[in-house]
Amino acid sequence: QSVLTQPPSVSGAPGQRVTISCTGSSSNIGAGYDVHWYQQLPGTAPKLLIYGNSNRPSGVPDRFSGSKSGTSASLAITGLQAEDEADYYCQSYDSSLKVVFGGGTKLTVL
Amino acid sequence: QVQLQESGPGLVKPSETLSLTCAVSGYSISSGYYWGWIRQPPGKGLEWIGSIYHSGSTYYNPSLKSRVTISVDTSKNQFSLKLSSVTAADTAVYYCAREEATRVHDYWGQGTLVTVSS
Repeated sequence: QSVLTQPPSVSGAPGQRVTISCTGSSSNIGAGYDVHWYQQLPGTAPKLLIYGNSNRPSGVPDRFSGSKSGTSASLAITGLQAEDEADYYCQSYDSSLKVVFGGGTKLTVL
Repeated sequence: QVQLQESGPGLVKPSETLSLTCAVSGYSISSGYYWGWIRQPPGKGLEWIGSIYHSGSTYYNPSLKSRVTISVDTSKNQFSLKLSSVTAADTAVYYCAREEATRVHDYWGQGTLVTVSS
């Protein structure tokens, strides 16, 4: 059971917009700790997608955006492309003194 | 360009100690940042194991703390993971990563699969 809760899967057609939620609690996201998002393509290491709730590293398309409110965060992907098919993980920090990840969400592009 | 590369045995026997090293290039560990280990069991999600600050201070996942040791060798620009008394549940791909103050992991190694089996 992950400390951060994500839907196991989401899907969308090319060109559409999808969102992935990440629900935490008052000891992590709600405590003000930043949320970060990673994209993991099959057979590869995770890649940083969003840091500090809503910031994109250089090279990440602006189709990807992040937001945070209260004890939750969301990743939005607009203009869905086949290459976006991957697993997505949210991550934060918990007052129990550890880094915590969500269980991951598999995005399928229909 | 910061690059990280894990190395170590791919097979460890139950009850023994898993040992991995992460070689860092493109950045001097002694200059700053945390340096961490994350693992991913086959078909499952990510689990943070722990990290070490460039000064040597360590931070461990409470669920693994009794079995984990992370150390740094600034002269070789590398850091290491030791996980003792392993069981089949420790079978996973182990990643090393650079960790910033906000605990974001901005650079990752490619990962190395460690199987615990007799």
